[in-house]
Amino acid sequence: EPEVTQTPSHQVTQMGQEVILRCVPISNHLYFYWYRQILGQKVEFLVSFYNNEISEKSEIFDDQFSVERPDGSNFTLKIRSTKLEDSAMYFCASFLAGVPYEQYFGPGTRLTVT
Amino acid sequence: GESVGLHLPTLSVQEGDNSIINCAYSNSASDYFIWYKQESGKGPQFIIDIRSNMDKRQGQRVTVLLNKTVKHLSLQIAATQPGDSAVYFCAEKIQGAQKLVFGQGTRLTINP
Repeated sequence: EPEVTQTPSHQVTQMGQEVILRCVPISNHLYFYWYRQILGQKVEFLVSFYNNEISEKSEIFDDQFSVERPDGSNFTLKIRSTKLEDSAMYFCASFLAGVPYEQYFGPGTRLTVT
Repeated sequence: GESVGLHLPTLSVQEGDNSIINCAYSNSASDYFIWYKQESGKGPQFIIDIRSNMDKRQGQRVTVLLNKTVKHLSLQIAATQPGDSAVYFCAEKIQGAQKLVFGQGTRLTINP
């Protein structure tokens, strides 16, 4: 069964450093997403990406965040200058289109900012 | 505003019993409602969705009920098994948008 993969599984970084979280969505999917989940809380939407551009973003997704799909395979989330409150589990998801409305989630990257 | 929430944070059931997990939502403009299962250390896994113009949908051992009058969504799991232990999230998709808005989650534990 096709799956979304994410690397690394765990990233530890110091406050102020840049991090890049990587995802390989399912190959024929058209929509790509980043979500985050702070420990013990609900999953929160960050950004959606379609046709090589951001289609929607949340208030969390400020100027410190950016996304790229550099090579038609990988989908990355960059945080330019990490803050302690960026510590969370980051999930990548992809969606083909149509129904069922099934966004496939990756296993997540746990980001710890110290 | 947009909010999806759950009535109970935890639910314990006996193995073999049926489980009912509830969810309240507030946005009338949602066109899809989705249930996800999240096992420890894993990403959310799609269980079933229901379109806003339906009131019931059945899958394998699961049934989702939608009551738009009271803005309530429920997931029924028949003959609960140990492998059903997880946190269950409801999520809604707003019409015209792509993002999912998730609720807080209910932890389902199965007693042997």
